[in-house]
Amino acid sequence: GAGVSQTPSNKVTEKGKYVELRCDPISGHTALYWYRQSLGQGPEFLIYFQGTGAADDSGLPNDRFFAVRPEGSVSTLKIQRTERGDSAVYLCASSLTGGPVNEQFFGPGTRLTVL
Amino acid sequence: DAKTTQPPSMDCAEGRAANLPCNHSTISGNEYVYWYRQIHSQGPQYIIHGLKNNETNEMASLIITEDRKSSTLILPHATLRDTAVYYCIVRLNYGGSQGNLIFGKGTKLSVKP
Repeated sequence: GAGVSQTPSNKVTEKGKYVELRCDPISGHTALYWYRQSLGQGPEFLIYFQGTGAADDSGLPNDRFFAVRPEGSVSTLKIQRTERGDSAVYLCASSLTGGPVNEQFFGPGTRLTVL
Repeated sequence: DAKTTQPPSMDCAEGRAANLPCNHSTISGNEYVYWYRQIHSQGPQYIIHGLKNNETNEMASLIITEDRKSSTLILPHATLRDTAVYYCIVRLNYGGSQGNLIFGKGTKLSVKP
């Protein structure tokens, strides 16, 4: 079946612009996660949704970052006033539920470049 | 911060077993050990997880020491397609952060012909 998909695959923007990154999880998965991966580093947790609500947003670096999941399926990560330091691969993952013994399925990521 | 320590890189000959070590000396009783891998330019892929007992699936085996302070991921017959970064992760069982994975830098495994 279809896996986690993310669009766009690549996004180039200018410093100060607003961007939206989309994640389509696996159908029926209630838990959705966003991670950010800088070059040479492991993925870094940003936010975790259980259904429509953010169960844990402790990884969001500052108030320029915001994510929504209004219908409990598709999620959008929004970044305001982008900075060059926001350049990274943004990964989305979903799992059947949010418990510890459910494997997370990752999408291919969106590569964001802020010029 | 990641609660695990892994060597930054390892080499393995094609067809031989790859044994990837991980130290997690501060693991608590209700925390699982997870392994993921990330092939270049792809998202991480789940491999296996365990709590106390050794585990085996179609991809790998996970050996956890009796004191649970370390583990080893074994790929029994490594192929070139197993070249990837392998992440060992200790995952919380309860609490508000039970969902997220905390990745370290992992081990870059290079399988050579």
